[in-house]
Amino acid sequence: GESVGLHLPTLSVQEGDNSIINCAYSNSASDYFIWYKQESGKGPQFIIDIRSNMDKRQGQRVTVLLNKTVKHLSLQIAATQPGDSAVYFCAESGAGSYQLTFGKGTKLSVIP
Amino acid sequence: DSGVTQTPKHLITATGQRVTLRCSPRSGDLSVYWYQQSLDQGLQFLIQYYNGEERAKGNILERFSAQQFPDLHSELNLSSLELGDSALYFCASSGQVGNTEAFFGQGTRLTVV
Repeated sequence: GESVGLHLPTLSVQEGDNSIINCAYSNSASDYFIWYKQESGKGPQFIIDIRSNMDKRQGQRVTVLLNKTVKHLSLQIAATQPGDSAVYFCAESGAGSYQLTFGKGTKLSVIP
Repeated sequence: DSGVTQTPKHLITATGQRVTLRCSPRSGDLSVYWYQQSLDQGLQFLIQYYNGEERAKGNILERFSAQQFPDLHSELNLSSLELGDSALYFCASSGQVGNTEAFFGQGTRLTVV
């Protein structure tokens, strides 16, 4: 079946460095991609999204890149802070679909 | 605070029992989604309601059912509980039929013993 997965289950970065979290998806019909952040004991928190007709979108300290050719999605976090420590999920949905398919998640640990 | 409220936060119950999880969406949001998060399956979409009507169904077991009431709050009913149903159950809401910027609640941790 279609699936969304993550390349790395854990990522450790030094405070102040940039972080890059990767995600591969297999559904070529996916129309909408989202990154969520989940802190311990909390629900997923929306970070940024991107439509399939775009290849880059920027937010506050975050950038999402979409490469449809290789079905790859990445989240870049600039100047990573201790508060960025969390599990990050990519999710996707197809055109006309209302359900999100989530990847397994990458745990980001920021070293002070 | 996402504005989505879920109760209870924790629930411990025995196998074979039935429980009801409750979700109040953000003010004005018409769409409510239910997700199950377990260690081995990750976040799995269960079901979506929009303005009281079922809109989409995911990997929801027949033992599970949900509804959305006229005041837009939603309930997820889990019956004939099994040990494997132990998980975090999240409710999310959004203002549109699709999933743009869905806001998640804090979740209900269900433990079946």
